[in-house]
Amino acid sequence: QVQLQQSGPGLVKPSQTLSLTCAISGDSVSSDSAAWTWIRQSPSRGLEWLGRTYYRSEWYHDYAVSVKSRIIINPDTSDNQFSLHLSSVTPEDTAVYYCARDQSSSGWFDPWGQGTLVTVSS
Amino acid sequence: EIVMTQSPATLSVSPGERATLSCRASQSVTSNLAWYQHKPGQAPRLLIYGTSTGAPGIPARFSGSGSGTEFTLTISSLQSEDFAVYYCQQYNNWPLTFGGGTKVEIK
Repeated sequence: QVQLQQSGPGLVKPSQTLSLTCAISGDSVSSDSAAWTWIRQSPSRGLEWLGRTYYRSEWYHDYAVSVKSRIIINPDTSDNQFSLHLSSVTPEDTAVYYCARDQSSSGWFDPWGQGTLVTVSS
Repeated sequence: EIVMTQSPATLSVSPGERATLSCRASQSVTSNLAWYQHKPGQAPRLLIYGTSTGAPGIPARFSGSGSGTEFTLTISSLQSEDFAVYYCQQYNNWPLTFGGGTKVEIK
């Protein structure tokens, strides 16, 4: 059974970088079929796909246009996890952030991490 | 971007009754539609993908139907554990997009 465990701070100051980690058990971040994804949810934006990383003989990354200039999603093969880094945050980045697996890179997500509420405030 | 619209926003149903949730896409997503259940403080849970394929372990009372732009999630006989928010999501076009959710509450 695949499980995703999120970690990271719940409070980030404006202009700083939001960083979260998602630890994977029961699968590999280097899977040649899965894609590892970050999604966020806020009252103003609803559920919003942010980006993904996946391995197909080499590493690939796709990012949402809305955050493309500020986002990095990195795999960590040593610890079998992946991370989200979102720079230059503003209060509009306040949201619950979820990691999720796209098992066959089809576009649907299972499972999801437990979610992390990140508040951007000074 | 494909806009997903769910209705109603809130559905009040008695336990044991049938619940029908709707999801409309602003353009065709063929059959590339998924449904999720989300309870407060928990991770969203995949219910249905490919419009009508149940995810492993999902009870048979959950079923999905539709194609193109109109989709339906039906819960045949609501159990107490089914009261939650339900989201649809299209994965036919990038960016992937979600509906705003339908809250199923106890009547």
